[in-house]
Amino acid sequence: QQQVKQSPQSLIVQKGGIPIINCAYENTAFDYFPWYQQFPGKGPALLIAIRPDVSEKKEGRFTISFNKSAKQFSLHIMDSQPGDSATYFCAASSHGSSNTGKLIFGQGTTLQVKP
Amino acid sequence: NAGVTQTPKFRVLKTGQSMTLLCAQDMNHEYMYWYRQDPGMGLRLIHYSVGEGTTAKGEVPDGYNVSRLKKQNFLLGLESAAPSQTSVYFCASNSGRAGDTQYFGPGTRLTVL
Repeated sequence: QQQVKQSPQSLIVQKGGIPIINCAYENTAFDYFPWYQQFPGKGPALLIAIRPDVSEKKEGRFTISFNKSAKQFSLHIMDSQPGDSATYFCAASSHGSSNTGKLIFGQGTTLQVKP
Repeated sequence: NAGVTQTPKFRVLKTGQSMTLLCAQDMNHEYMYWYRQDPGMGLRLIHYSVGEGTTAKGEVPDGYNVSRLKKQNFLLGLESAAPSQTSVYFCASNSGRAGDTQYFGPGTRLTVL
Protein backbone atom coordinates (compact mmCIF):
# COMPACT_ATOMS: atom_id res chain seq x y z
CA GLN A 1 0.00 0.00 0.00
CA GLN A 2 1.57 3.23 -1.18
CA GLN A 3 0.88 5.85 1.45
CA VAL A 4 2.74 8.67 -0.30
CA LYS A 5 2.12 9.23 -4.00
CA GLN A 6 4.53 11.43 -5.96
CA SER A 7 4.22 12.97 -9.40
CA PRO A 8 5.44 13.45 -12.02
CA GLN A 9 7.83 10.54 -12.48
CA SER A 10 10.13 12.69 -14.60
CA LEU A 11 10.44 16.36 -15.43
CA ILE A 12 12.49 18.39 -17.90
CA VAL A 13 12.78 22.16 -17.62
CA GLN A 14 14.98 24.87 -19.06
CA LYS A 15 17.49 26.70 -16.91
CA GLY A 16 15.68 29.38 -14.91
CA GLY A 17 12.38 27.51 -14.97
CA ILE A 18 10.39 26.54 -11.87
CA PRO A 19 9.89 22.79 -11.65
CA ILE A 20 7.13 21.68 -9.31
CA ILE A 21 6.92 18.21 -7.80
CA ASN A 22 3.77 17.10 -6.03
CA CYS A 23 3.07 14.58 -3.29
CA ALA A 24 -0.14 13.34 -1.70
CA TYR A 25 -0.46 11.33 1.47
CA GLU A 26 -3.20 9.29 3.11
CA ASN A 27 -2.27 8.93 6.76
CA THR A 28 -3.46 11.94 8.77
CA ALA A 29 -1.08 10.96 11.57
CA PHE A 30 1.91 12.05 9.47
CA ASP A 31 3.47 15.15 11.00
CA TYR A 32 6.84 15.51 9.32
CA PHE A 33 7.37 15.91 5.58
CA PRO A 34 10.95 16.01 4.26
CA TRP A 35 12.25 16.22 0.72
CA TYR A 36 15.41 14.39 -0.25
CA GLN A 37 17.73 15.03 -3.19
CA GLN A 38 19.73 12.22 -4.73
CA PHE A 39 22.51 12.50 -7.30
CA PRO A 40 23.51 9.45 -9.40
CA GLY A 41 25.60 7.00 -7.44
CA LYS A 42 24.99 8.77 -4.13
CA GLY A 43 22.71 8.34 -1.17
CA PRO A 44 19.71 10.65 -0.65
CA ALA A 45 20.39 13.84 1.30
CA LEU A 46 17.88 16.00 3.14
CA LEU A 47 16.97 19.10 1.15
CA ILE A 48 14.17 20.74 3.13
CA ALA A 49 11.41 19.63 5.50
CA ILE A 50 8.11 20.98 6.82
CA ARG A 51 5.67 20.31 9.62
CA PRO A 52 1.90 20.64 9.14
CA ASP A 53 1.57 23.71 11.38
CA VAL A 54 2.89 25.94 8.56
CA SER A 55 1.73 26.25 4.96
CA GLU A 56 5.04 27.19 3.37
CA LYS A 57 8.75 26.96 4.05
CA LYS A 58 11.60 28.45 2.03
CA GLU A 59 15.29 27.62 2.08
CA GLY A 60 17.22 29.40 -0.62
CA ARG A 61 15.72 28.52 -4.01
CA PHE A 62 13.69 25.63 -2.58
CA THR A 63 10.14 26.05 -1.27
CA ILE A 64 7.70 23.55 0.20
CA SER A 65 4.02 24.35 -0.03
CA PHE A 66 1.76 22.38 2.31
CA ASN A 67 -2.02 21.94 2.14
CA LYS A 68 -3.17 20.04 5.22
CA SER A 69 -6.85 19.83 4.25
CA ALA A 70 -6.01 18.36 0.85
CA LYS A 71 -3.25 16.17 2.31
CA GLN A 72 -0.84 17.40 -0.34
CA PHE A 73 2.56 19.06 -0.39
CA SER A 74 4.83 20.18 -3.16
CA LEU A 75 8.40 21.23 -3.86
CA HIS A 76 9.15 24.29 -5.99
CA ILE A 77 12.66 25.04 -7.26
CA MET A 78 13.07 28.69 -8.16
CA ASP A 79 15.52 29.73 -10.90
CA SER A 80 16.48 26.10 -11.53
CA GLN A 81 20.06 25.34 -12.56
CA PRO A 82 21.66 22.38 -14.39
CA GLY A 83 23.26 21.44 -11.06
CA ASP A 84 19.75 20.80 -9.68
CA SER A 85 19.42 17.83 -12.04
CA ALA A 86 18.82 14.91 -9.68
CA THR A 87 16.15 12.61 -8.34
CA TYR A 88 13.87 14.09 -5.71
CA PHE A 89 11.92 12.11 -3.14
CA CYS A 90 9.18 13.31 -0.86
CA ALA A 91 8.61 11.44 2.38
CA ALA A 92 6.42 11.45 5.45
CA SER A 93 6.60 10.16 8.99
CA SER A 94 4.65 10.17 12.22
CA HIS A 95 6.18 11.03 15.57
CA GLY A 96 3.51 9.77 17.87
CA SER A 97 3.95 7.70 21.01
CA SER A 98 5.66 4.95 19.02
CA ASN A 99 8.24 7.23 17.48
CA THR A 100 10.53 5.16 15.30
CA GLY A 101 11.53 7.82 12.80
CA LYS A 102 10.38 5.58 9.94
CA LEU A 103 10.00 7.44 6.66
CA ILE A 104 7.49 6.52 3.95
CA PHE A 105 8.89 7.63 0.60
CA GLY A 106 7.22 8.65 -2.61
CA GLN A 107 8.26 6.98 -5.86
CA GLY A 108 10.72 9.71 -6.84
CA THR A 109 10.94 12.33 -9.60
CA THR A 110 13.88 12.55 -11.97
CA LEU A 111 14.53 16.20 -12.80
CA GLN A 112 16.62 17.36 -15.72
CA VAL A 113 17.42 21.06 -16.04
CA LYS A 114 18.66 21.91 -19.53
CA PRO A 115 21.26 24.68 -19.94
CA ASN B 1 33.53 12.36 10.97
CA ALA B 2 32.66 9.90 8.18
CA GLY B 3 28.88 9.90 8.79
CA VAL B 4 27.27 6.70 7.49
CA THR B 5 29.46 4.23 5.64
CA GLN B 6 28.51 1.02 3.84
CA THR B 7 30.56 -1.96 2.71
CA PRO B 8 30.83 -3.31 0.13
CA LYS B 9 29.98 -0.76 -2.59
CA PHE B 10 29.25 -3.40 -5.22
CA ARG B 11 28.61 -7.13 -5.11
CA VAL B 12 27.53 -9.82 -7.54
CA LEU B 13 26.04 -13.02 -6.14
CA LYS B 14 24.72 -16.21 -7.61
CA THR B 15 21.24 -17.39 -6.67
CA GLY B 16 21.35 -19.18 -3.33
CA GLN B 17 24.53 -17.56 -2.07
CA SER B 18 24.59 -15.61 1.17
CA MET B 19 26.17 -12.32 2.13
CA THR B 20 26.18 -9.62 4.77
CA LEU B 21 26.09 -5.88 4.17
CA LEU B 22 27.68 -3.73 6.85
CA CYS B 23 26.54 -0.27 7.86
CA ALA B 24 28.50 1.87 10.30
CA GLN B 25 27.76 5.33 11.70
CA ASP B 26 29.97 7.54 13.83
CA MET B 27 27.32 10.06 14.94
CA ASN B 28 26.23 8.14 18.05
CA HIS B 29 22.75 7.74 16.55
CA GLU B 30 20.18 5.53 18.25
CA TYR B 31 18.10 4.66 15.20
CA MET B 32 19.30 2.86 12.08
CA TYR B 33 17.50 1.69 8.95
CA TRP B 34 17.97 -0.47 5.87
CA TYR B 35 16.19 0.49 2.64
CA ARG B 36 16.18 -0.90 -0.85
CA GLN B 37 15.79 1.30 -3.91
CA ASP B 38 14.26 0.01 -7.11
CA PRO B 39 13.34 2.02 -10.23
CA GLY B 40 9.93 3.67 -9.95
CA MET B 41 9.37 2.45 -6.40
CA GLY B 42 11.25 4.94 -4.28
CA LEU B 43 12.96 3.68 -1.14
CA ARG B 44 11.29 0.89 0.80
CA LEU B 45 12.14 0.07 4.39
CA ILE B 46 13.44 -3.46 4.96
CA HIS B 47 14.28 -3.49 8.68
CA TYR B 48 15.11 -0.93 11.30
CA SER B 49 16.48 -0.62 14.81
CA VAL B 50 15.67 1.87 17.55
CA GLY B 51 18.64 0.94 19.71
CA GLU B 52 21.44 -1.50 20.33
CA GLY B 53 20.12 -5.05 20.53
CA THR B 54 16.74 -4.20 18.98
CA THR B 55 15.42 -4.82 15.47
CA ALA B 56 12.02 -4.61 13.79
CA LYS B 57 10.49 -5.40 10.42
CA GLY B 58 9.79 -2.73 7.87
CA GLU B 59 7.72 -2.79 4.71
CA VAL B 60 9.63 -5.50 2.78
CA PRO B 61 11.45 -7.75 5.30
CA ASP B 62 11.09 -11.15 3.62
CA GLY B 63 14.38 -12.79 2.68
CA TYR B 64 16.46 -10.50 4.90
CA ASN B 65 17.74 -10.62 8.46
CA VAL B 66 19.45 -7.93 10.53
CA SER B 67 21.46 -7.55 13.68
CA ARG B 68 22.44 -4.56 15.85
CA LEU B 69 24.99 -5.93 18.29
CA LYS B 70 26.80 -2.62 18.58
CA LYS B 71 25.21 0.82 18.55
CA GLN B 72 27.33 2.01 15.65
CA ASN B 73 26.78 -0.99 13.38
CA PHE B 74 23.73 -2.41 11.62
CA LEU B 75 24.15 -5.57 9.54
CA LEU B 76 21.84 -6.74 6.77
CA GLY B 77 22.01 -10.41 5.81
CA LEU B 78 20.76 -12.33 2.83
CA GLU B 79 20.75 -16.05 3.67
CA SER B 80 19.82 -17.34 0.21
CA ALA B 81 19.95 -14.62 -2.42
CA ALA B 82 17.31 -14.45 -5.15
CA PRO B 83 17.28 -12.42 -8.39
CA SER B 84 14.39 -10.36 -6.92
CA GLN B 85 16.88 -9.02 -4.38
CA THR B 86 18.88 -7.29 -7.09
CA SER B 87 18.71 -3.68 -5.94
CA VAL B 88 20.59 -0.77 -4.45
CA TYR B 89 20.65 -0.96 -0.65
CA PHE B 90 20.90 2.12 1.53
CA CYS B 91 21.54 2.37 5.22
CA ALA B 92 20.44 5.41 7.19
CA SER B 93 20.59 6.64 10.76
CA ASN B 94 19.17 9.38 12.94
CA SER B 95 19.39 10.49 16.53
CA GLY B 96 15.90 9.33 17.47
CA ARG B 97 14.68 12.83 18.35
CA ALA B 98 11.38 13.65 16.67
CA GLY B 99 11.86 15.27 13.29
CA ASP B 100 15.59 14.73 13.17
CA THR B 101 17.23 14.20 9.80
CA GLN B 102 17.89 10.73 8.49
CA TYR B 103 21.44 10.53 7.17
CA PHE B 104 22.03 8.07 4.36
CA GLY B 105 25.07 6.07 3.37
CA PRO B 106 26.40 5.90 -0.21
CA GLY B 107 24.65 2.63 -1.02
CA THR B 108 25.54 -0.91 -2.05
CA ARG B 109 24.67 -2.09 -5.54
CA LEU B 110 23.83 -5.80 -5.40
CA THR B 111 23.23 -8.00 -8.42
CA VAL B 112 21.94 -11.55 -8.00
CA LEU B 113 22.36 -13.73 -11.07
